Amino acid sequence: QVQLVQSGAEVKKPGASVKVSCKASGYTFTSYGISWVRQAPGQGLEWMGWISAYNGNTNYAQKLQGRVTMTTDTSTSTAYMELRSLRSDDTAVYYCARDRNPWRECDYWGQGTLVTVSS
Amino acid sequence: QSVLTQPPSVSGAPGQRVTISCTGSSSNIGAGYDVHWYQQLPGTAPKLLIYGNSNRPSGVPDRFSGSKSGTSASLAITGLQAEDEADYYCQSYDSSLKSFGGGTKLTVL
Repeated sequence: QVQLVQSGAEVKKPGASVKVSCKASGYTFTSYGISWVRQAPGQGLEWMGWISAYNGNTNYAQKLQGRVTMTTDTSTSTAYMELRSLRSDDTAVYYCARDRNPWRECDYWGQGTLVTVSS
Repeated sequence: QSVLTQPPSVSGAPGQRVTISCTGSSSNIGAGYDVHWYQQLPGTAPKLLIYGNSNRPSGVPDRFSGSKSGTSASLAITGLQAEDEADYYCQSYDSSLKSFGGGTKLTVL
């Protein structure tokens, strides 16, 4: 069965960086992409960007351009999302989700990773 | 500010039918991009409920249905049950970005 298992919760200070991992199993990793979606406390879903596991092409949300980098390691079927220069409003649950393209549906989701930014 | 507009909340009694709207524009839903719907139960990750405007993934009850017309889409839930109480999000595509609606909280009275 398809599973996306994310790394554990993180606590970071403002200005630091965080790297969240998402290990995929149960399907051919390179046949899909991975979207990263975050949800601030009590708020809605915010799409951060997408990466093709086939060729590494990325598409980032404009508001995060320059601070976010998405990568994949096809040898371990793992996707990574790194966010730099963290601010308090980056505190959120970060989800990875499988999709074929940014305009398609996210059919499987990771369990979420809470990132807390606090001094 | 999301490009897809949903009502913040809807409610209904058990057994009733409720609908949740998702209003877009000519640059997203009206441009022909599909609409997808997700259900998020408290404290859990979102779950795909409807894809491609009106298709249900395996395991989703047929009480849930989706439709799309013009620049809007709707999610309908019939035979409302207590376990349907959750947040619901629509999603489409706009200006090279995956876009989510602001979410709708469904309360089962």
